[in-house]
Amino acid sequence: ILNVEQSPQSLHVQEGDSTNFTCSFPSSNFYALHWYRWETAKSPEALFVMTLNGDEKKKGRISATLNTKEGYSYLYIKGSQPEDSATYLCASGGATNKLIFGTGTLLAVQP
Amino acid sequence: ETGVTQTPRHLVMGMTNKKSLKCEQHLGHNAMYWYKQSAKKPLELMFVYNFKEQTENNSVPSRFSPECPNSSHLFLHLHTLQPEDSALYLCASSRSGTMEQYFGPGTRLTVT
Repeated sequence: ILNVEQSPQSLHVQEGDSTNFTCSFPSSNFYALHWYRWETAKSPEALFVMTLNGDEKKKGRISATLNTKEGYSYLYIKGSQPEDSATYLCASGGATNKLIFGTGTLLAVQP
Repeated sequence: ETGVTQTPRHLVMGMTNKKSLKCEQHLGHNAMYWYKQSAKKPLELMFVYNFKEQTENNSVPSRFSPECPNSSHLFLHLHTLQPEDSALYLCASSRSGTMEQYFGPGTRLTVT
């Protein structure tokens, strides 16, 4: 993998459903993996910065895991709510502050 | 609120105009960034400033000219742009040596 790739591109779920999406990134020279949440017309908001293989981070109903050897991270949302509707971005970051972003997963949660 | 503000939020300009985008951060950070997001493409890094010095220019055309007069302010001067430059321009800041970047809400630019 040469670029950061996210799947699916979009996702529609019902309120209360749990969901997850994937970020794939180059595993060579890995430094850090970032997850952002971006609501329409607002600023992207940092969710997690992950650096260690096997790391798992959690913020409320949202959690993320990291596999640096195979180059992927999963983001999980438990019991989705309409306010979770947003685009979720991941980015692979190097020591020089340069972030390479994926195109994002657009999540729509129907009440 | 992320502590990073951008003005204007929307801008329409002709190809012969000169305009500037402004970014201000109130977080005490010393690194600032310009990103561009075109339709259906990932956020693309344009410029990085650390302690007011430009440390990254990602092969950006010279019609985009950044300026960082101090660690709290960042400008993007625009001159003779093309319609394909229409995009969302995002500013971000961070503390140098740390990884987490804080973003502004962006300026939606339309070049006619």
